[in-house]
Amino acid sequence: AQSVSQHNHHVILSEAASLELGCNYSYGGTVNLFWYVQYPGQHLQLLLKYFSGDPLVKGIKGFEAEFIKSKFSFNLRKPSVQWSDTAEYFCAVKTLYNAGNMLTFGGGTRLMVKP
Amino acid sequence: DGGITQSPKYLFRKEGQNVTLSCEQNLNHDAMYWYRQDPGQGLRLIYYSQIVNDFQKGDIAEGYSVSREKKESFPLTVTSAQKNPTAFYLCASMKQGEVDTQYFGPGTRLTVL
Repeated sequence: AQSVSQHNHHVILSEAASLELGCNYSYGGTVNLFWYVQYPGQHLQLLLKYFSGDPLVKGIKGFEAEFIKSKFSFNLRKPSVQWSDTAEYFCAVKTLYNAGNMLTFGGGTRLMVKP
Repeated sequence: DGGITQSPKYLFRKEGQNVTLSCEQNLNHDAMYWYRQDPGQGLRLIYYSQIVNDFQKGDIAEGYSVSREKKESFPLTVTSAQKNPTAFYLCASMKQGEVDTQYFGPGTRLTVL
């Protein structure tokens, strides 16, 4: 079974700092990749997704992620974080031959941005 | 206003009692999912359903049961057999299709005393 690893459990940054959150997965076949964000007290919502094509994917709120197939990675980046980016971030993977369209999630990274 | 609703937001139960969490969607999505969220473990799949009257176990189905009698509803029952039921429960739905994504409800925080 596939697994997803997010190596940073807690990240603290100051405003305007650059952000990179790591995500690695274990499945060797074709995958769809997702980053979800959970702001305090809000629904889990989709930040961005990769299905095919350009491995550099741009999402909402200035976030982007790069799919590097050789490294089984899908790291999330933002050049300059804001206090409002304080949230928990989840990477998720869906394998292509997954009849139930099930997602496997990483353990999450809790980001705190200091004003 | 389309979306996924979960009720209640907070739920307290005594140990040994069964409890049912509600999940309703008006997005006309075919598939629905239940996840459990615990700190540091991300979301883990409990059950999912791709079509009415059919559902499948996820990774951690033991101690849980579901039903899918209507397309818009997918209630989850946490039974007394679940060893550690205190958690945050998230429901999601998705329109079937390879390029579609799952959309999540606001969650129910269950505390078993």
